Amino acid sequence: GAVVSQHPSWVICKSGTSVKIECRSLDFQATTMFWYRQFPKQSLMLMATSNEGSKATYEQGVEKDKFLINHASLTLSTLTVTSAHPEDSSFYICSAITGLDQPQHFGDGTRLSIL
Amino acid sequence: SQQGEEDPQALSIQEGENATMNCSYKTSINNLQWYRQNSGRGLVHLILIRSNEREKHSGRLRVTLDTSKKSSSLLITASRAADTASYFCATEPDRGSTLGRLYFGRGTQLTVWP
Repeated sequence: GAVVSQHPSWVICKSGTSVKIECRSLDFQATTMFWYRQFPKQSLMLMATSNEGSKATYEQGVEKDKFLINHASLTLSTLTVTSAHPEDSSFYICSAITGLDQPQHFGDGTRLSIL
Repeated sequence: SQQGEEDPQALSIQEGENATMNCSYKTSINNLQWYRQNSGRGLVHLILIRSNEREKHSGRLRVTLDTSKKSSSLLITASRAADTASYFCATEPDRGSTLGRLYFGRGTQLTVWP
């Protein structure tokens, strides 16, 4: 149980393109989903917290107009990297929880490469 | 920063040996969690220990928590080559708007040689 599916797993695109990443909880309803960014051999940096039906809460320093988050249902959150540039290249990972004080369930991540 | 800090950054051992990783953090917490990440993949949850707990076991894993020292340790006993991965501690702060969020340390890269 508690499977999170993240799609696509790998994206290569040209600078200026907008890229959408989906995060789905397959067998449970997620009260909250989270989006992280990870650079090679480094920690996960929390970007934003996403709750169904409300605006995402962004961490300090994360541009909300650059990283658009939509949480349309209890099983789906999307992250859109708008007008992506090479510095946006990274590994993006989502996670979901069923409630507070519970473990997070992670997707397998999306490797984004902007040329 | 609310992040935890793992120590050591890298650990290399032989199969059968025990591996110990430490984590220190700064803020009051609801719980502390340990995760494992294989290269280029998502994270797998290992153990969650709550602030009122001192020790927890799961198979070959043993986690301790000392809230007075704001530190935790993860012990993997009788390690196997398949345990090779990065291990992260993550803390869930206990207050207000940060409820539910996790803040990760930099991780320990564990290599277990056959």
